[in-house]
Amino acid sequence: DTGVSQNPRHKITKRGQNVTFRCDPISEHNRLYWYRQTLGQGPEFLTYFQNEAQLEKSRLLSDRFSAERPKGSFSTLEIQRTEQGDSAMYLCASTREGTQYFGPGTRLLVL
Amino acid sequence: AQSVTQPDIHITVSEGASLELRCNYSYGATPYLFWYVQSPGQGLQLLLKYFSGDTLVQGIKGFEAEFKRSQSSFNLRKPSVHWSDAAEYFCAVGPGGSQGNLIFGKGTKLSVKP
Repeated sequence: DTGVSQNPRHKITKRGQNVTFRCDPISEHNRLYWYRQTLGQGPEFLTYFQNEAQLEKSRLLSDRFSAERPKGSFSTLEIQRTEQGDSAMYLCASTREGTQYFGPGTRLLVL
Repeated sequence: AQSVTQPDIHITVSEGASLELRCNYSYGATPYLFWYVQSPGQGLQLLLKYFSGDTLVQGIKGFEAEFKRSQSSFNLRKPSVHWSDAAEYFCAVGPGGSQGNLIFGKGTKLSVKP
């Protein structure tokens, strides 16, 4: 399968814990995006990378959130001191010729 | 402000009936327009996209959409719905070129009656 992959697919954590998600984009796609989707809503932009450079961050990305893309390949999204409001689906997408291709998402539940 | 409006939260159609899902957008520049479909607990699958040229675009699974600049609309249509089309459908708008995030509507949930 050469699509975008995300791990884990599901994560349950307790409030206050840290969590990290991974996204592997389609190879040779140099742009990678993170979105968050809450119940009943469309995805909302969080941040985006071109190669290893993080070029834009949404105001939704509080200081508890950090994203990296070392060497311009896979990316990680870390949430520190999780809150119940962080419960959502976290989606990753990579881009080719103006089109974003999405992974299956990581569903986070904060208890 | 840039936004996408999908006026219908939930639509139910009978299998074999035609379908139209509405999408209106507000965007400062010439937009790229997309329709994605999402099955429960899954990611988004691209159905079709409009960048330029012919305003009627064909996508996968028998879907098509028409771009109407004067109405700022990009409605999705299918002549005959199948039970497997039941899912949530999202319209999205983005800037031209390969950069820039997408702005999504809130989605329309499609149910299909046998």
